[in-house]
Amino acid sequence: AQRVTQPEKLLSVFKGAPVELKCNYSYSGSPELFWYVQYSRQRLQLLLRHISRESIKGFTADLNKGETSFHLKKPFAQEEDSAMYYCALSGRWSNYQLIWGAGTKLIIKP
Amino acid sequence: DGGITQSPKYLFRKEGQNVTLSCEQNLNHDAMYWYRQDPGQGLRLIYYSQIVNDFQKGDIAEGYSVSREKKESFPLTVTSAQKNPTAFYLCASSTSRDAAYGYTFGSGTRLTVV
Repeated sequence: AQRVTQPEKLLSVFKGAPVELKCNYSYSGSPELFWYVQYSRQRLQLLLRHISRESIKGFTADLNKGETSFHLKKPFAQEEDSAMYYCALSGRWSNYQLIWGAGTKLIIKP
Repeated sequence: DGGITQSPKYLFRKEGQNVTLSCEQNLNHDAMYWYRQDPGQGLRLIYYSQIVNDFQKGDIAEGYSVSREKKESFPLTVTSAQKNPTAFYLCASSTSRDAAYGYTFGSGTRLTVV
């Protein structure tokens, strides 16, 4: 079965420290992986997707097919990074619908 | 200003009542979705529609109904059969059924049963 696991419900780090939000998935085949972010009082929005291999707001995520992971990383956390982060996947076996992780709340301490 | 508009922002329902949540988009997107967001559970798909006059059940469709009479509109009715309707409801749309293009989300409706 297709599944996305975000093992941390809450992650708290100090400003300037590195951040890593974990995402593991199970999927038969080649999924598309995404990170969505929801800042306080704002809409859920796409942060990045693995096919773009892009860096958004200093965040990057590398798809590791061997470990079936898509961890989100940022070398130096900023206070404005505090938000709820969701990992999601889609692919043929999900009829191209998004399958979501439970989310990780990231708190950046000053 | 293009985007998705959900209304109302807050909605209170009495036991046994049906209520309808509105979702309108002016992005010319073909696909629209309804999600339920509960703390610690992420987003769960209720219904989705990839084309006008067609829709499919998601993972938790029981107690909900939808219609897609217009491309721009995808209202969700929470019926009295939904045993635990208190939640935050999100509507989304995309250009294609393929989520690789990304979803655009509305600002949500918080439904509370009183």
